Amino acid sequence: EVQLVESGGGLVQPGGSLRLSCVGSGFTFDTYAMTWLRQVPGKGLEWVSLISLSGAAIYYADSVKGRFTVSRDNSRSTMYLQMDSLRVEDTATYFCAKGGWFGGPGFDPWGRGTLVTVSP
Amino acid sequence: QSVLTQPPSASGTPGQRVAISCSGSRFNIGNNHVYWYHQVSGAAPKIVMYRNDQRPAGVADRFSGSKSGTSASLAISGLRSEDEGDYYCAAWDDSLTGWVFGGGTKVTVL
Repeated sequence: EVQLVESGGGLVQPGGSLRLSCVGSGFTFDTYAMTWLRQVPGKGLEWVSLISLSGAAIYYADSVKGRFTVSRDNSRSTMYLQMDSLRVEDTATYFCAKGGWFGGPGFDPWGRGTLVTVSP
Repeated sequence: QSVLTQPPSASGTPGQRVAISCSGSRFNIGNNHVYWYHQVSGAAPKIVMYRNDQRPAGVADRFSGSKSGTSASLAISGLRSEDEGDYYCAAWDDSLTGWVFGGGTKVTVL
């Protein structure tokens, strides 16, 4: 069974940093692009970042560009999201998802998410 | 303001057919595939349609998808209580170089 488990969320002050992890199991991790998405409580879904199989190609939403850094360690079947200069508006549940390469089979599946709260 | 436009709500009685629209532009839906996700309150979203009209394994054939020009649609026939929740459309946007989502449509089974 394909599983994704996010961790690293928590409470942080504005301007602070946090690093999220996403561990994949049940599939060959290094043969899939991986994606971070987020959802503000009570609001819709927002794409955050996409990383290719090897990590050579990376894309970010404008809202996080220059502040967030995505990376992956295929030997550990893990993707990371380093979040710096955090803002109150970054408060959300962060999901990782398998896939996301354009034209592919979509984000499938998603992890259960980890909550990031940015507050003074 | 979402890049893709969806109606905020849709409803139907059990057994009825419900259709959800998703409108975009030539940069996203007009030039790329559309994907649909279903989210039940508090849970992780699940994919119900990919590449416009392809059903993932395990998704009931009551779900169907279509795309024409810069718009797409997800239809649910034979509506059931477990179909309730929020449905989101998504597409790659060539101008923004990223994925864009609709604001979501809340489906209620009356």
